[in-house]
Amino acid sequence: AQKITQTQPGMFVQEKEAVTLDCTYDTSDPSYGLFWYKQPSSGEMIFLIYQGSYDQQNATEGRYSLNFQKARKSANLVISASQLGDSAMYFCAMRESFYNFNKFYFGSGTKLNVKP
Amino acid sequence: EPEVTQTPSHQVTQMGQEVILRCVPISNHLYFYWYRQILGQKVEFLVSFYNNEISEKSEIFDDQFSVERPDGSNFTLKIRSTKLEDSAMYFCASSPTGEGASPLHFGNGTRLTVT
Repeated sequence: AQKITQTQPGMFVQEKEAVTLDCTYDTSDPSYGLFWYKQPSSGEMIFLIYQGSYDQQNATEGRYSLNFQKARKSANLVISASQLGDSAMYFCAMRESFYNFNKFYFGSGTKLNVKP
Repeated sequence: EPEVTQTPSHQVTQMGQEVILRCVPISNHLYFYWYRQILGQKVEFLVSFYNNEISEKSEIFDDQFSVERPDGSNFTLKIRSTKLEDSAMYFCASSPTGEGASPLHFGNGTRLTVT
């Protein structure tokens, strides 16, 4: 079974609008972390936002917020007021804490295109 | 802000040759990783390294690959007898702890092209 599933291979959004990138995960570990990374066309991996499994509130970092629904095992990234520079590949990732702390599991990514 | 540094940014090698990819993790980090990403595909785990030894490795990380932390700062990935299918972007990453809250900090990657 896939640990991280991103069902949207590509998304378009109009500049200045909000967009939600979907991510679902699979783990039996009670303690885990969820992360989103941005990969621009230049190739580097940029950490955006983190959500812990025990966090009561949804994480926010500037224009990024994470819609964490634990019972549904989803951790969607919301980008508000999209900018042209947001065009990139976005990866959802999970780190399990107790049993497999060595490994990050990555989803297959969503390519976001922001239209002017 | 401290960052993970990878060299070279691009390496071209002939099939069958050995390559060494170099990384300098963030200085107070304890966990080190190599990942690879074949063009346009997902990011794949290769190996994790802690306390001067491999903690875990994936099925990809066979006898062709080895890692080393020779001098307490550099972290290298050696690929012996390279194959065409080894062409990919190789990312080094480090993390201060092994706890679930710690993000991986990635370097900018080395693009390996095997011809």
